[in-house]
Amino acid sequence: DAGVIQSPRHEVTEMGQEVTLRCKPISGHDYLFWYRQTMMRGLELLIYFNNNVPIDDSGMPEDRFSAKMPNASFSTLKIQPSEPRDSAVYFCASSQGKDTQYFGPGTRLTVL
Amino acid sequence: DAKTTQPTSMDCAEGRAANLPCNHSTISGNEYVYWYRQIHSQGPQYIIHGLKNNETNEMASLIITEDRKSSTLILPHATLRDTAVYYCIVLRFSGTYKYIFGTGTRLKVLA
Repeated sequence: DAGVIQSPRHEVTEMGQEVTLRCKPISGHDYLFWYRQTMMRGLELLIYFNNNVPIDDSGMPEDRFSAKMPNASFSTLKIQPSEPRDSAVYFCASSQGKDTQYFGPGTRLTVL
Repeated sequence: DAKTTQPTSMDCAEGRAANLPCNHSTISGNEYVYWYRQIHSQGPQYIIHGLKNNETNEMASLIITEDRKSSTLILPHATLRDTAVYYCIVLRFSGTYKYIFGTGTRLKVLA
């Protein structure tokens, strides 16, 4: 299995631009998670889905952030408009049932 | 969700056992203990988990005290590649299903 796939691996953008991060979970997994990691706040859960339905989005920082899961094999996390404080590494993870989560390699986002 | 407390950093000599402690004194009966590690800036990697009994796999052993208020992750023969940040997480399966990552322990394996 290829594991969780994220793209792009690195993204540099300017303040005010829209940013879209992508995730392909492990085939057969029905839970998908988006995390953000910064030096100041560590690893934080932003949102998670079960069977493509958002279950808990209490970690989404503000309305500029949105996440979708149109099908079982694809999810996006969008930031519009982006701000420098959004600079972080964003991880996607998936699990089969309420079991071990497997993380992707992450997307390093830099907002100038 | 139960909170966890871990030492900020530890050193271990290569080839020796690394014992990483975790305190989770407010853990509930249905909450599992999970361990992950993060090497440099890679995605967190699953190591092991348990509920009550001690567990062992090809990577590590997990020792959970009888009262379940603390646990120890044991890497039996640490190598330089085990240098990483190790996270202890307490996870409840009922209701919201969330990992709450703490600050972890930065383990440095010394040659």
